[in-house]
Amino acid sequence: SQKIEQNSEALNIQEGKTATLTCNYTNYSPAYLQWYRQDPGRGPVFLLLIRENEKEKRKERLKVTFDTTLKQSLFHITASQPADSATYLCALDEGSQGNLIFGKGTKLSVKP
Amino acid sequence: EAQVTQNPRYLITVTGKKLTVTCSQNMNHEYMSWYRQDPGLGLRQIYYSMNVEVTDKGDVPEGYKVSRKEKRNFPLILESPSPNQTSLYFCASSLPGLVYEQYFGPGTRLTVT
Repeated sequence: SQKIEQNSEALNIQEGKTATLTCNYTNYSPAYLQWYRQDPGRGPVFLLLIRENEKEKRKERLKVTFDTTLKQSLFHITASQPADSATYLCALDEGSQGNLIFGKGTKLSVKP
Repeated sequence: EAQVTQNPRYLITVTGKKLTVTCSQNMNHEYMSWYRQDPGLGLRQIYYSMNVEVTDKGDVPEGYKVSRKEKRNFPLILESPSPNQTSLYFCASSLPGLVYEQYFGPGTRLTVT
């Protein structure tokens, strides 16, 4: 079955720098891949979705890329701020159009 | 306000005592889902529902039941809770199709002693 790996459990960066988070999957390329933000004790919040035929998607300071050859998605936050500190999750559809699997997340800490 | 609500938010119970966690959404979404989140294991899908009267197992369905009798509600039932079901539970909903932008509820923290 499909597996998702988010390589870093934690990422610490300085304010103003670009944060880059990685999401790798193991088997077939999904039709799309999603990224969520989760703050402690709260439910995840949807950020971006990228389809398999899209190489890049942007939303304000966020950018997501999707490389089906590498089986990888990268999530970038440019000009990072302390308020960006949170756990970021990637997710994809197992193939059953509804059976979603999530990575374990990367906890991002942005220091002032 | 568009939202997903869950009740209760916190629950401490004993092994074997049946319980139901309710989930309701006011966005007329067809798709609803339940997840549990555990340290080191991440978010795992328990059950999902593509529409009324249509439910399917996720990755960790054992020990849980669901029902979808109406579009807005998707209760999670633990017939005989056990300590290994102690977890943080999230309900989510979205429109169907390939775009599964999910809206999550605030979570229910369940402790089974």
